[in-house]
Amino acid sequence: GQQLNQSPQSMFIQEGEDVSMNCTSSSIFNTWLWYKQEPGEGPVLLIALYKAGELTSNGRLTAQFGITRKDSFLNISASIPSDVGIYFCAGQLRGSARQLTFGSGTQLTVLP
Amino acid sequence: GAGVSQSPSNKVTEKGKDVELRCDPISGHTALYWYRQSLGQGLEFLIYFQGNSAPDKSGLPSDRFSAERTGGSVSTLTIQRTQQEDSAVYLCASSFKSSGETQYFGPGTRLLVL
Repeated sequence: GQQLNQSPQSMFIQEGEDVSMNCTSSSIFNTWLWYKQEPGEGPVLLIALYKAGELTSNGRLTAQFGITRKDSFLNISASIPSDVGIYFCAGQLRGSARQLTFGSGTQLTVLP
Repeated sequence: GAGVSQSPSNKVTEKGKDVELRCDPISGHTALYWYRQSLGQGLEFLIYFQGNSAPDKSGLPSDRFSAERTGGSVSTLTIQRTQQEDSAVYLCASSFKSSGETQYFGPGTRLLVL
């Protein structure tokens, strides 16, 4: 099936640092989404991107929909302890497919 | 308003038994999805319902897996003759419609097959 390559797999950063993670694919996506998942919970939507080149912010989070429609990145500025969790990118393919294709996740640890 | 709810939150079963997992989508959402998340992995699509249309079952891993959606609302995912490799978190999501609409996830059901 379709795959999204998400990197890095894990990150250990100091509180206050900025974080960047990205996803790439060989397929073209209509929509890119970024979710955060905390232990014992389902993924929670952070940012949704619907147009190639779109740059969207949500507080300290910024995400971009790559111009080729095959990649996206998420930046977190001035990280805080509650940013800890697993961040997933997800894409919705062009065409009739409705389900999301997920990356394998980036485990973020913020050290005080 | 209420989000997507799933029950049970945890299920432990013996190999070979059948299990039923329930999902209550957000009221008014016509699209409903089931995903499976194995330990340390991303989410794997299982099945998708949209209104009264025939479901997209393309992600179901075997014929032991089936799902129903009654009255366009509540959905039940059934796994027959469970195997140890079925152990995972089963997540349900719903959206207002399908294409381009944000999917909202429930907390998941953690299934452990002994």
